[in-house]
Amino acid sequence: AQSVTQLDSQVPVFEEAPVELRCNYSSSVSVYLFWYVQYPNQGLQLLLKYLSGSTLVKGINGFEAEFNKSQTSFHLRKPSVHISDTAEYFCAVSDRYGGSQGNLIFGKGTKLSVKP
Amino acid sequence: EAGVVQSPRYKIIEKKQPVAFWCNPISGHNTLYWYRQNLGQGPELLIRYENEEAVDDSQLPKDRFSAERLKGVDSTLKIQPAELGDSAVYLCASSPPPRGTGELFFGEGSRLTVL
Repeated sequence: AQSVTQLDSQVPVFEEAPVELRCNYSSSVSVYLFWYVQYPNQGLQLLLKYLSGSTLVKGINGFEAEFNKSQTSFHLRKPSVHISDTAEYFCAVSDRYGGSQGNLIFGKGTKLSVKP
Repeated sequence: EAGVVQSPRYKIIEKKQPVAFWCNPISGHNTLYWYRQNLGQGPELLIRYENEEAVDDSQLPKDRFSAERLKGVDSTLKIQPAELGDSAVYLCASSPPPRGTGELFFGEGSRLTVL
């Protein structure tokens, strides 16, 4: 069975500071990896995804993430955050193959709070 | 392009009452998901449809929950009777073919409060 661990439930940072949101996963099979963002009172939207190829993936709003297979991690980073990045961020994993392909397993989320 | 539409956005009911949530996915998206998000948690899959067929309902509490997707488009999720522990946000999502590349498009959710 797969699982996703987001190591920080809340991350407060000052505007223009760098940020890293940590995500580790556990799976016995090959996986796809995702980060979704949820702004207040809105639905989740895809930030970025790793399917194959380069382990460094770039997403919307200046975010990027790096897939590290040996450490089973997929940490999300941004070099300089804005107030508008305040939101909850969810890491997710899905099987590459099989009947559950496409079913996303989510972590518990990390609330990013950007302060002026 | 219209996104995934859910209704109602908010619902407050007393325990033991029934409740239903409706979802209209993005046109052309044949895969539809219902997720439940408890407070402070990530979404958890309840059921997945491929067109009108429920292909993964292993996490759906079948004693009180039911779902349908007639004609492979809109879907309804029903709870009868509701319990206090059912208070959560119910999220509908859809994805285009081919399934598996992971971009799910989510609606804004239906927030249920059971008193």
